[in-house]
Amino acid sequence: DAGVIQSPRHEVTEMGQEVTLRCKPISGHDYLFWYRQTMMRGLELLIYFNNNVPIDDSGMPEDRFSAKMPNASFSTLKIQPSEPRDSAVYFCASSSQGAGYSNQPQHFGDGTRLSIL
Amino acid sequence: GQNIDQPTEMTATEGAIVQINCTYQTSGFNGLFWYQQHAGEAPTFLSYNVLDGLEEKGRFSSFLSRSKGYSYLLLKELQMKDSASYLCAVRSGGYNKLIFGAGTRLAVHP
Repeated sequence: DAGVIQSPRHEVTEMGQEVTLRCKPISGHDYLFWYRQTMMRGLELLIYFNNNVPIDDSGMPEDRFSAKMPNASFSTLKIQPSEPRDSAVYFCASSSQGAGYSNQPQHFGDGTRLSIL
Repeated sequence: GQNIDQPTEMTATEGAIVQINCTYQTSGFNGLFWYQQHAGEAPTFLSYNVLDGLEEKGRFSSFLSRSKGYSYLLLKELQMKDSASYLCAVRSGGYNKLIFGAGTRLAVHP
C-alpha cells in the first residue's frame, strides 16, 4: 500500500518567494495533519483536517501560512511570502477515525526539507 | 497547559536494555503513542497505550500509568539500528490530534 506522499522532497528558494508543499494522504484516511520540525522547537502541529474540513489551525505561525484540502486525496501548505525562519522539515501525516479508544496511529510522509535563503 | 517531558539524550550499549521515560500533563487523555525517528527520516509508529499496564511487541515494550501521568518505552537486546530519536505523544482530545514531546535521542554503542 502506498503511504503518505509528499512533494517536493527538498525545496530551496529565496526569501519572499511563494512556497507550496503538497501531500497525498493514505487512501481511506479521514484525518490529515501538517507538522513542522526544527531542532529548536521539535515537532509542532500546524493544522489538521477531518473529512477535508480544517479543525484546528491554532498552530499556524502567522498569516503567511495557509493550508487547503480541496478533496480527500490532496492537501497543500502554502507560505507566502517565505522567510529564512521558515526553514524546517515539513511533515504531512494521515490517520483514520477509529472508534472511541482505538489505536489509530498517524502515518507520516517522508517530509519536505525547506530552506529559505 | 499541555506539557510532555522526556530526557534529551541517552546512551546505551549494544545488547543491553534501555528505558526511556515520558511524563505528561495534558488537559485530557485519550491514549499515548511512541514513535521512532531515524535521522533525516519520518517518525514511524512503535506502540500505543490507553489502559494502565504493559504492552509488549517483540523487543519493544511500553508501559502506562494514567494516575501518575507516566509512560516508558523499554528496548531490549539493543541493536545499532536502534540509534534514533524516540518521541512520546499524547492524544488529549476527541479528535485524533497528538501532542508530541521533544524526543529522546538514543545512541547505541558497540
